[in-house]
Amino acid sequence: GNSVTQMEGPVTLSEEAFLTINCTYTATGYPSLFWYVQYPGEGLQLLLKATKADDKGSNKGFEATYRKETTSFHLEKGSVQVSDSAVYFCALRINSGNTPLVFGKGTRLSVIA
Amino acid sequence: DTEVTQTPKHLVMGMTNKKSLKCEQHMGHRAMYWYKQKAKKPPELMFVYSYEKLSINESVPSRFSPECPNSSLLNLHLHALQPEDSALYLCASSQVGTQQETQYFGPGTRLLVL
Repeated sequence: GNSVTQMEGPVTLSEEAFLTINCTYTATGYPSLFWYVQYPGEGLQLLLKATKADDKGSNKGFEATYRKETTSFHLEKGSVQVSDSAVYFCALRINSGNTPLVFGKGTRLSVIA
Repeated sequence: DTEVTQTPKHLVMGMTNKKSLKCEQHMGHRAMYWYKQKAKKPPELMFVYSYEKLSINESVPSRFSPECPNSSLLNLHLHALQPEDSALYLCASSQVGTQQETQYFGPGTRLLVL
């Protein structure tokens, strides 16, 4: 089956620290990969995506590279801010545009000043 | 415009009440979704509509009844809910196209069942 595994949180970092949130996947084909962010009390927002191997998605200083050989899509940011505190979900979708997303369990990030 | 709107933002209901959640998008998307999210958990899929037809029902109890009256609107009718149904209900939409399509989420309705 299709599944996503994320590193367990919570992750607590000081402002300006380097962030990595690990994400690996299992899929029956070649999925599209997504990172969503959920700020407290809000819905999910797309952070970035990559649709084929070696693609790099980037947005707001966050990056993730689609690695087919390691079935991974790790999220990185060079210098986190307090405003990055949120829950981050890695997700995949396979087959077509109206198939649902398969989510990882989410990683809570807290950034302290 | 990449906005999905949901009303109400908060809802408190008793176990005998009937209420409806509403979702709207004007992006021309023909796939719409309902998800349920419990605290500290990822969203769980409930229903998928594709071209206004129900295409996926993830064995959701019949006290939840979805409706897609047109391509922009999605409703979730609630009746005789249980306290364990208290959660954040998220609506999403996307193009049908390919698996690359982005799914856009609304802000959610936070439901409390007493």
